[in-house]
Amino acid sequence: AQKVTQAQTEISVVEKEDVTLDCVYETRDTTYYLFWYKQPPSGELVFLIRRNSFDEQNEISGRYSWNFQKSTSSFNFTITASQVVDSAVYFCALSERGGATNKLIFGTGTLLAVQP
Amino acid sequence: DSGVTQTPKHLITATGQRVTLRCSPRSGDLSVYWYQQSLDQGLQFLIQYYNGEERAKGNILERFSAQQFPDLHSELNLSSLELGDSALYFCASSSPGTANYEQYFGPGTRLTVT
Repeated sequence: AQKVTQAQTEISVVEKEDVTLDCVYETRDTTYYLFWYKQPPSGELVFLIRRNSFDEQNEISGRYSWNFQKSTSSFNFTITASQVVDSAVYFCALSERGGATNKLIFGTGTLLAVQP
Repeated sequence: DSGVTQTPKHLITATGQRVTLRCSPRSGDLSVYWYQQSLDQGLQFLIQYYNGEERAKGNILERFSAQQFPDLHSELNLSSLELGDSALYFCASSSPGTANYEQYFGPGTRLTVT
């Protein structure tokens, strides 16, 4: 069965702190894709990153970095030097390659509150 | 701005009524997905269309239906509405094919059933 677990329901940090959001997934497929989306208070879902199961290289984009480890089925997201504008709900999602659809299976989300 | 548009932004209606949510995908995208976000169920996949044809169904109630038109816009019809249908409904689109291109989401339609 496909499943995405985000064990951290809420995280509160002070501006400029680093913060890591955890994501653990389950899938029987050997080829799959992992995603992170951001949902700010305004409500829209903003795509942040897609990762292929065959590419375990970590990725950095500005203050954002992602650590993909197949051995532990984890795809963690780190924000360095957090800012108030980072306050949002962050969702990790999984999509399998094998079927006819690439529907997204979402985790329950982590609410990140960055205090000034 | 993702390029995906959804109307209306907000919808308030009564139990038992029927509503239609509309979505226009990004230019060139053939796949349209509908998701429901509620407090108790989280973000759930409802249904996917690809170039006018239904591709996959998720946890979509029988009271709900959708279609994708020749111009690729899609509509989600919700009927016999219940209080529990109150949620944020998202439409997303992706590039041609099913190769797991990233899905870009519209701003959502917030449905309130009273």
